[in-house]
Amino acid sequence: DTAVSQTPKYLVTQMGNDKSIKCEQNLGHDTMYWYKQDSKKFLKIMFSYNNKELIINETVPNRFSPKSPDKAHLNLHINSLELGDSAVYFCASSQWPGQGVMRETQYFGPGTRLLVL
Amino acid sequence: AQRVTQPEKLLSVFKGAPVELKCNYSYSGSPELFWYVQYSRQRLQLLLRHISRESIKGFTADLNKGETSFHLKKPFAQEEDSAMYYCAPSSGGGADGLTFGKGTHLIIQP
Repeated sequence: DTAVSQTPKYLVTQMGNDKSIKCEQNLGHDTMYWYKQDSKKFLKIMFSYNNKELIINETVPNRFSPKSPDKAHLNLHINSLELGDSAVYFCASSQWPGQGVMRETQYFGPGTRLLVL
Repeated sequence: AQRVTQPEKLLSVFKGAPVELKCNYSYSGSPELFWYVQYSRQRLQLLLRHISRESIKGFTADLNKGETSFHLKKPFAQEEDSAMYYCAPSSGGGADGLTFGKGTHLIIQP
C-alpha cells in the first residue's frame, strides 16, 4: 500500500551512461515533482507536472528529461550522466490545491540514490 | 528575493532538553509554512504546517509574521527525534515545488 514508490532504490553507473528513474503514486494525486538532494542534504525542486503537463523546470540541464505517461507516473531520464549528478532523487506528489487552499501536502517517495563513477 | 534560512546546520541536545530549530523567511505576501522531517535514510514526510496549528510528535511551530520566523519547538527531546528537519515556506500555489531551507540536523544525545 505504498503511496509514492520509486525504482530503483540504488543506481550505480558510469559517467556518460543514460539512465532512468521511475516514480509511481497511488494516492490519486494530479501533481508530481522531482527533487534533488545533494551530498550536503540540500533539497531543490527540479520539475513539477500537473495532469501530465510540465509546470516547473528549475534551470535543470536538458540532459534531464521528465516524462509523465499518466497522472500516476512521473519518470526521470538522464542522458550522458556526469559525476555531479550523484545525489538522491526524490519524487513527490500532491493534489492540486482546492479553492482557498494555497498548497496541499506533498508526499515523498523513498528516494533513489544515484552514484556516478 | 524569496529566501528561507535555517541558521543551524547541526543542533545537538540531550534527551529531555528543550529543542528549538530556527527558521526565518523572506517572502512577499503571506506565505504558507511547513516543516518536513527526514529520519535516517527515510523519505521526507510532513511534520506540520502552520495553517493546521497542530502539534505533531510533541512539536509545535508558531508563525511570527513580525519576525518572519517559523521556529520549530519541542519541550522535551527524545532520541527518536534525531533527524534532518527542513523548513519550507511557500508563497506559490498550484504545482510550485517546495523551497526548502538547507536543513538542520538534529541529534539527540542519550
